Amino acid sequence: QSVLTQPPSASGTPGQRVTVSCSGSSSNIGSNTVNWYQQLPGTAPKLLIYSNNQRPSGVPDRFSGSKSGTSASLAISGLQSEDEADYYCAAWDDSLNGLVFGGGTKLTVL
Amino acid sequence: EVQLVQSGVEVKKPGESLKISCKGSGYSFTSYWIGWVRQMPGKGLEWMGIIYPGDSNTRYSPSFQGQVTISADKSISTAYLQWSSLKASDTAIYYCARHSRSGYYGPDYWGQGTLVTVSS
Repeated sequence: QSVLTQPPSASGTPGQRVTVSCSGSSSNIGSNTVNWYQQLPGTAPKLLIYSNNQRPSGVPDRFSGSKSGTSASLAISGLQSEDEADYYCAAWDDSLNGLVFGGGTKLTVL
Repeated sequence: EVQLVQSGVEVKKPGESLKISCKGSGYSFTSYWIGWVRQMPGKGLEWMGIIYPGDSNTRYSPSFQGQVTISADKSISTAYLQWSSLKASDTAIYYCARHSRSGYYGPDYWGQGTLVTVSS
């Protein structure tokens, strides 16, 4: 059971906009910033969004993040086949004094 | 360019010891926390802990405290993850990942992963 809660799966057709939610508590998302990671099949995770809504250099602006209270969301617009991957949210947890991940959301492009 | 290069695949028997490594380059190794993340077969990411190579200060997840040892040799910009007695349940891919200067944020750069298989 992960500390941060994500839906196990999401799907969309090419060109669509999809969102992935991440729910936490006051000790993690409520008081710290959220990162999102993309893990393509058979590869290491890659930083997609940091500090709730910032994109590292090289990440397309189709990817965006937001945070409100104890929840965060990742939005992918103009969905492409290469976006098919697992997506994870993460935040520092002040009570556990460690980083916590969501369980991951498997995105399927139909 | 920041790079984290991990040691290769390991196949071990239960009860054996193991130390895997992660060499950082392209940044000031002693100025950033660096840590380890476990991914068991077909499962999600689990944060294990981090170390600050500048002074070897460590923080462990409660789930991994006492089960593994995280260390670093700043003279060769390398972090380590060590087990004294492996179990079959330690079978997983282990990623090293650079964290922030403060340690209170998620990682930004990741290694390629080290597959550890523990089987009799």
